[in-house]
Amino acid sequence: NAGVMQNPRHLVRRRGQEARLRCSPMKGHSHVYWYRQLPEEGLKFMVYLQKENIIDESGMPKERFSAEFPKEGPSILRIQQVVRGDSAAYFCASSPKSGQGARTEAFFGQGTRLTVV
Amino acid sequence: KQEVTQIPAALSVPEGENLVLNCSFTDSAIYNLQWFRQDPGKGLTSLLLIQSSQREQTSGRLNASLDKSSGRSTLYIAASQPGDSATYLCAVRAYSGAGSYQLTFGKGTKLSVIP
Repeated sequence: NAGVMQNPRHLVRRRGQEARLRCSPMKGHSHVYWYRQLPEEGLKFMVYLQKENIIDESGMPKERFSAEFPKEGPSILRIQQVVRGDSAAYFCASSPKSGQGARTEAFFGQGTRLTVV
Repeated sequence: KQEVTQIPAALSVPEGENLVLNCSFTDSAIYNLQWFRQDPGKGLTSLLLIQSSQREQTSGRLNASLDKSSGRSTLYIAASQPGDSATYLCAVRAYSGAGSYQLTFGKGTKLSVIP
């Protein structure tokens, strides 16, 4: 039973390009959380999704950032027109259905380290 | 707004010493608290999960306690080893509205165990 899978592990983009980060949840999990870890900072919540729905995007910047979790395939975090300040580690976690998710252990992927040059 | 603080920010101890890492949170309305380990450039490894109704959890040389009413948790590491060197993160899960159960993280304690 594979854990949370994120790819790519490392991503380098030039300023102005688009970054697409992928997250495949654990088997049986239908909810995905994205977090961002800036250098020397703690992890900050960005967005919470279930299949085909965004539940909570209160931590995601209003511009240039978007997230989706389609019925088939991984969750995608997209950053358009990247800037140097977007350089960070982006982590994904998954959980079972909402009511159970409140009490279950959170399992994280290995993260995608985005570097904007 | 939930805030999580971890003290100390960094800790250096000789091998074999017992140590305590501290975590405090401002809002006691949590579902659970989780301790993670993060190695440089790596992901998060879950160490212990304590539900809000529990007082402590143990795994091997690790013991985590939770005092929900005072907003505090400690992670006790017995007989520390160089392989324990890592950053330890504390996170609390709480309801944040609209069906969302967010984890709020502290900035971590960077532990170095000297051989």
